[in-house]
Amino acid sequence: EVQLMESGGALVQPEGSLRLSCAASGFTFGSHFMSWVRQAPGKGLEWVSSISESGTRTFYADSVKGRFTISRDNSKNTVYLQINSLGADDTATYYCAKRPATGAQYFEYWGQGTLVTVSS
Amino acid sequence: EIVLTQSPATLSLSPGERATLSCRASQSVGNYLAWYQQRPGQAPRLLIFDASNRATAIPARFSGSGSGTDFTLTISSLEPEDFAVYYCQQRSTGITFGQGTRLEIK
Repeated sequence: EVQLMESGGALVQPEGSLRLSCAASGFTFGSHFMSWVRQAPGKGLEWVSSISESGTRTFYADSVKGRFTISRDNSKNTVYLQINSLGADDTATYYCAKRPATGAQYFEYWGQGTLVTVSS
Repeated sequence: EIVLTQSPATLSLSPGERATLSCRASQSVGNYLAWYQQRPGQAPRLLIFDASNRATAIPARFSGSGSGTDFTLTISSLEPEDFAVYYCQQRSTGITFGQGTRLEIK
């Protein structure tokens, strides 16, 4: 059974930084793209970032480019999201997500999310 | 960026009725469109991918149709657990989501 478990969410001051983690199990982690999708309170879904199987290719939404860094450690079955220069607009639940086996850019498996709150 | 516009914003129906949700793209996305369901306090769940293919373990009452810029999610006979928020997502150019349709009990 595929399981994704996010951690690292917290209350952070504006301009602060945070690293989110997503521990994966139930599949061959190093053979799959991984992604982060966020959802502001009461709002819709926003794709944030994706990383290739080996970690050599990374992709970002324009809204986070230059501030967020996605990475992975295949030996630990974990994907990370380093988020810097946080602003109020970054307040959201951050979900880790995995594509279906076909590799198509949809999100078949999701974690339960970790909440990042940016406030002074 | 491809903008997805969902309508209506809110749909009020009763259990047993048929639900029809719309998603319109600002430019053609071919058939590269998915639908998700999100219940309160839960992560989204993939329902339909590539416009008309049901994801694993999704009941047959859910169906998707459309191509190009106009897409529809149909729930043939609403069950109590179907009242939730539904999102469309395209993967043709980048990845974007619609703003959601809230399906509520009438």
